[in-house]
Amino acid sequence: DIQMTQSPSSLPASVGDRVTIICRASQSINNYLSWYKQEPGKAPKLLIYAASSLQSGVPSRFSGSGSETDFTLNISGLQPEDFATYYCQQSYRTPWTFGQGTKVDI
Amino acid sequence: QITLKESGPTLVKPTETLTLTCTFSGFSLTTNGVGVGWIRQPPGKALEWLALIYWDDDKHYSPSLKSRVTITKDISKNQAVLTMTNMDPVDTATYYCPRLMVAGTVGSFDYWGQGILVTVSS
Repeated sequence: DIQMTQSPSSLPASVGDRVTIICRASQSINNYLSWYKQEPGKAPKLLIYAASSLQSGVPSRFSGSGSETDFTLNISGLQPEDFATYYCQQSYRTPWTFGQGTKVDI
Repeated sequence: QITLKESGPTLVKPTETLTLTCTFSGFSLTTNGVGVGWIRQPPGKALEWLALIYWDDDKHYSPSLKSRVTITKDISKNQAVLTMTNMDPVDTATYYCPRLMVAGTVGSFDYWGQGILVTVSS
């Protein structure tokens, strides 16, 4: 299985901050990488697909970059609704695997 | 408008078989590039991919659960069904069915059901 490792696991932040979340794959996954946001008690929501493509309706303060094994999710100008847990997920090879999550909190 | 909703029992006993149904609208599982997945999340833990079925009936399973899990689709009812045998308390989780979107060759889950919490307990 391809292992996805996110860092940090927890990220204290404040409104207005720029935050960066890192996701590393245990082997090359080209750009087969998606990012999801999950608020407590809710289903995940797709933010970024194909490593850097912004899903329709997602604010432009979210951006993704990277390829092969190293990826980042950036949030510029953190808003109150952005405090949540973020997951990366590879779809390069089954079983598709998720990172362990990064909780962005105050 | 695309919606998905999971349904099934919320409490099962150990060793029983779980059957969950994902009923969706706004898209068809006959459309090229579309699929439905099943993903679960134990309380307080990360997401775990379980299974995936494509429009062409291609199916993929998590190797760790492959012997216990089956995914099927019913085109006429707009449903995807997950069956998991020999349930154990460690299978207690919220189970989600998201739609798979393939952009080029990259797949991601763009619409999600609300999830259903399944508790395994005697």
